[in-house]
Amino acid sequence: KQEVTQIPAALSVPEGENLVLNCSFTDSAIYNLQWFRQDPGKGLTSLLLIQSSQREQTSGRLNASLDKSSGRSTLYIAASQPGDSATYLCAVRLGTGNQFYFGTGTSLTVIP
Amino acid sequence: EAGVVQSPRYKIIEKKQPVAFWCNPISGHNTLYWYLQNLGQGPELLIRYENEEAVDDSQLPKDRFSAERLKGVDSTLKIQPAELGDSAVYLCASSLGGAGSYNEQFFGPGTRLTVL
Repeated sequence: KQEVTQIPAALSVPEGENLVLNCSFTDSAIYNLQWFRQDPGKGLTSLLLIQSSQREQTSGRLNASLDKSSGRSTLYIAASQPGDSATYLCAVRLGTGNQFYFGTGTSLTVIP
Repeated sequence: EAGVVQSPRYKIIEKKQPVAFWCNPISGHNTLYWYLQNLGQGPELLIRYENEEAVDDSQLPKDRFSAERLKGVDSTLKIQPAELGDSAVYLCASSLGGAGSYNEQFFGPGTRLTVL
């Protein structure tokens, strides 16, 4: 079974700082990896999806990288803003089937 | 384009009562997922449908949980009878599906269940 770990569990940074969130997985035979954002009491919003053949994806101030061989992905957030405060989750899809395995998330607080 | 729709958004019931959740996926999405999310945890898959077929229900507690996806479009998840430990957020998601497809998941807002 795929194990997905996110470290740290919580992170607090001052506004304007660049930051990196980490996601690691045990089975490198992945099909893709997706990063989500979840605001309190809300569903998940897709941020970026990286296919197994890709090394990174960018959207605005967000950049996600993927290193399959080491079982790791990072989400880089540039020039953080208070509106970025949320829980960030990564989900890994294995090469077979459509099942996604989620990490437990990193709770980010950006202090004005 | 409408996203994944779920109802109700909140439900409070007494233990041993039945409860049902409804989900309408994004139009054209063949794959539908039901997840359970406990506080401070990531979502855990309960059941996955490819069209109207349940292809992965290994994590669904079949003694009290059931689901259906008639006609391969919207879906209903039922709990009967509910227990205190079922209090959680129930999330529905959909994706295009099919082998080799992009398969980005899109989530609904969830149903927050409280069992008293």
